[in-house]
Amino acid sequence: DVKVTQSSRYLVKRTGEKVFLECVQDMDHENMFWYRQDPGLGLRLIYFSYDVKMKEKGDIPEGYSVSREKKERFSLILESASTNQTSMYLCASSGGRGKTDTQYFGPGTRLTVL
Amino acid sequence: AQSVTQLDSQVPVFEEAPVELRCNYSSSVSVYLFWYVQYPNQGLQLLLKYLSGSTLVESINGFEAEFNKSQTSFHLRKPSVHISDTAEYFCAVSRISGNTGKLIFGQGTTLQVKP
Repeated sequence: DVKVTQSSRYLVKRTGEKVFLECVQDMDHENMFWYRQDPGLGLRLIYFSYDVKMKEKGDIPEGYSVSREKKERFSLILESASTNQTSMYLCASSGGRGKTDTQYFGPGTRLTVL
Repeated sequence: AQSVTQLDSQVPVFEEAPVELRCNYSSSVSVYLFWYVQYPNQGLQLLLKYLSGSTLVESINGFEAEFNKSQTSFHLRKPSVHISDTAEYFCAVSRISGNTGKLIFGQGTTLQVKP
């Protein structure tokens, strides 16, 4: 079974803090993705990565950065958290580069920024 | 660019009744189509997908979806729902030419199955 784990299910941070969200997959997948999920907006892609040390912007990258130092780990960084970044964050992974493989999702991290 | 519209944000239905969750997409290029399901307090998981071949695709738990190219739709149906089908359902597309593995998701439809 593919497993995608996220470091926290719930997180509360203050405005201006630097926030790290961690995602680990155990299936040697090449592709990894970070989404945010908001009611009525569905899932929106923040960043994705095809390989170690490689990243590409998604549809809403502003205010976020990512890091992929190892194949199995993809981190999302909020450099200076703001209240409009309160959301559910979902990580996903899939197999081959550029392939239409099934994306496997983690359980999500619900981030609240006060 | 691609976009996906799920026409209903919530669909309440009684147990054992049929249900249809509607999905329309807009794209200037050919696309692959997906339905994902999110059960309460869980991440998303793939329900079914259309890549090529027969336009009618089925899932293991009784859902089916039909790709209609002329109407740019991929509606999800089930003839008889169970309480356990209560979840949020997301339609998604991915371009075929120059595929990058990226998915574009719709807004989601919450299916509420009542006893």
